[in-house]
Amino acid sequence: AQTVTQSQPEMSVQEAETVTLSCTYDTSESDYYLFWYKQPPSRQMILVIRQEAYKQQNATENRFSVNFQKAAKSFSLKISDSQLGDAAMYFCAYRGTNFGNEKLTFGTGTRLTIIP
Amino acid sequence: ETGVTQTPRHLVMGMTNKKSLKCEQHLGHNAMYWYKQSAKKPLELMFVYNFKEQTENNSVPSRFSPECPNSSHLFLHLHTLQPEDSALYLCASSRGRRATNEKLFFGSGTQLSVL
Repeated sequence: AQTVTQSQPEMSVQEAETVTLSCTYDTSESDYYLFWYKQPPSRQMILVIRQEAYKQQNATENRFSVNFQKAAKSFSLKISDSQLGDAAMYFCAYRGTNFGNEKLTFGTGTRLTIIP
Repeated sequence: ETGVTQTPRHLVMGMTNKKSLKCEQHLGHNAMYWYKQSAKKPLELMFVYNFKEQTENNSVPSRFSPECPNSSHLFLHLHTLQPEDSALYLCASSRGRRATNEKLFFGSGTQLSVL
């Protein structure tokens, strides 16, 4: 079974600085998708960024980018120029492509605090 | 606002009560999901519906009973719950269950407390 591990329960960063959230996963599949979701205090999970495993290029969405290391099964999220609105829980998630593995598997989350 | 609405936002119930959680989406999606979010644990997928048919039940106790009358509405009927069932229950939708690169659209959840 696939597992997703987020080893940092909490992180904090000074406003305007850069922070990296870690995520590792375990899978035997070669083709899959990885996601970072953000859950602000409103509780509504919102997709931040996604990465297809067959693409070598790291995904980027404005201030958010990932460092995808397929061999190491690592998928970290970098937030540049941190803003107060970035404060939230961040969840890493995996989704396989083999039949029966299509459900999203989430990590336990990292709570990010932005220090003004 | 992601287009997925959940009610009620908060719910307190006794172990002998019967209550229902409601989820509604106006995104034209065909797949809907119930997740359970407990503190310090990964989100747990409970049920999946695709075109109103239940396609997944992750060994959820029978005191949780889902209902999907149409592709826009999803219910979770609760009865004789236990205190350990207290959690945030999230509803989500997507265009289709098998589109693996698709994102899920989540509601704001129902925070359930079982006394």
